[in-house]
Amino acid sequence: QSVLTQPPSASGTPGQRVTISCSGSSSNIGSNYVYWYQQLPGTAPKLLIYRNNQRPSGVPDRFSGSKSGTSASLAISGLRSEDEADYYCAAWDDSLSGPWVFGGGTKLTVL
Amino acid sequence: EVQLVESGGVVVQPGGSLRLSCAASGFTFDDYTMHWVRQAPGKGLEWVSLISWDGGSTYYADSVKGRFTISRDNSKNSLYLQMNSLRTEDTALYYCAKGGKNYFDAFDIWGQGTMVTVSS
Repeated sequence: QSVLTQPPSASGTPGQRVTISCSGSSSNIGSNYVYWYQQLPGTAPKLLIYRNNQRPSGVPDRFSGSKSGTSASLAISGLRSEDEADYYCAAWDDSLSGPWVFGGGTKLTVL
Repeated sequence: EVQLVESGGVVVQPGGSLRLSCAASGFTFDDYTMHWVRQAPGKGLEWVSLISWDGGSTYYADSVKGRFTISRDNSKNSLYLQMNSLRTEDTALYYCAKGGKNYFDAFDIWGQGTMVTVSS
């Protein structure tokens, strides 16, 4: 059972916009930055969004992040086949069991 | 090019010990916190441990506290994870990851991982 809650799966067709949610609590998302990672099959995770809504250089602006209260979202617009991957959210957690926590991951399928 | 290369993963019996290493290059190693993150086969990511830039502060996930020890040698640009009293549930791909200049910035660069299998 992950501290951050993500839907296990999401899907969309090429060109569509999809969103992936990440729900937490006041000790993590509610008071700290959210990060998003993309893990393509058989590869290491890659940083996609940092500090809630910032994109590292090289990440297309099709990817965007947002946060409101104790929840966050990753949006992917203009969906492409190469976006098919697992996506994870992460945040620092102020509680004693932390400090870093991940969501369980969302498998995105491009139909 | 920023690079992290893990090594040391093997098959080990329950109760055994193992030391993982991570060689860093392409950045000023002693400016950054460093982390270990693991992924059990077919499962999600689990944060394991972090160490401050100077090694003076360390944090652990409850699942490994008291059994694993993170350390670093800034003169060798290397990160380590000493794993004792290994359990079958420690079986995973272990990633070394570069953190930020403070604890609140997450991992921006990951290695390719080293596989640890705990089995009799």
